[in-house]
Amino acid sequence: GAGVSQSPSNKVTEKGKDVELRCDPISGHTALYWYRQSLGQGLEFLIYFQGNSAPDKSGLPSDRFSAERTGGSVSTLTIQRTQQEDSAVYLCASSRGLNSQETQYFGPGTRLLVL
Amino acid sequence: ILNVEQSPQSLHVQEGDSTNFTCSFPSSNFYALHWYRWETAKSPEALFVMTLNGDEKKKGRISATLNTKEGYSYLYIKGSQPEDSATYLCAFYGGATNKLIFGTGTLLAVQP
Repeated sequence: GAGVSQSPSNKVTEKGKDVELRCDPISGHTALYWYRQSLGQGLEFLIYFQGNSAPDKSGLPSDRFSAERTGGSVSTLTIQRTQQEDSAVYLCASSRGLNSQETQYFGPGTRLLVL
Repeated sequence: ILNVEQSPQSLHVQEGDSTNFTCSFPSSNFYALHWYRWETAKSPEALFVMTLNGDEKKKGRISATLNTKEGYSYLYIKGSQPEDSATYLCAFYGGATNKLIFGTGTLLAVQP
């Protein structure tokens, strides 16, 4: 079946511009996660959505970052007024539920470069 | 702050060598330990989910062990092949976090 997809695969933007990153999770997966990996760093949790519950936004690094998940499916991560330190690979993952044993299935990522 | 550490940071081995890496995690409030393989230009791919102290899992030439009392897991690769070259990530699920805390990974390069 179809896996997690993300778009765009690459994005180059100028400092100060807004960007939107999209994630299409696996159909039927109720949990959706956003992570980022900056150069030389590990995978950093940003936010997760689970069903109709309020999202856990505890990993968002600043108020320039926001995310939404419409209709319990597609999610968009928005970065306003991008800064050079926002350059990273942004990964989306989904899982069947929010359970410690659930495997998270990752998308291919969006490589963001802020000039 | 929950800390998940992996060592070594990178590893270069020859084809046919066996190798292993370590993941250290908090020993309290343990729920699960996940291992992922992340090849360049691909998505991270799940290898194992481990939950019980003493667990051993195997997938082909790759195996993993778990010690929750002392807070570590080992990943072993027997007879490394060039296609094993990737970053190997472990992730700890514990306490009330409801999320995976990832280590920084071990980058494995297997020379033919």
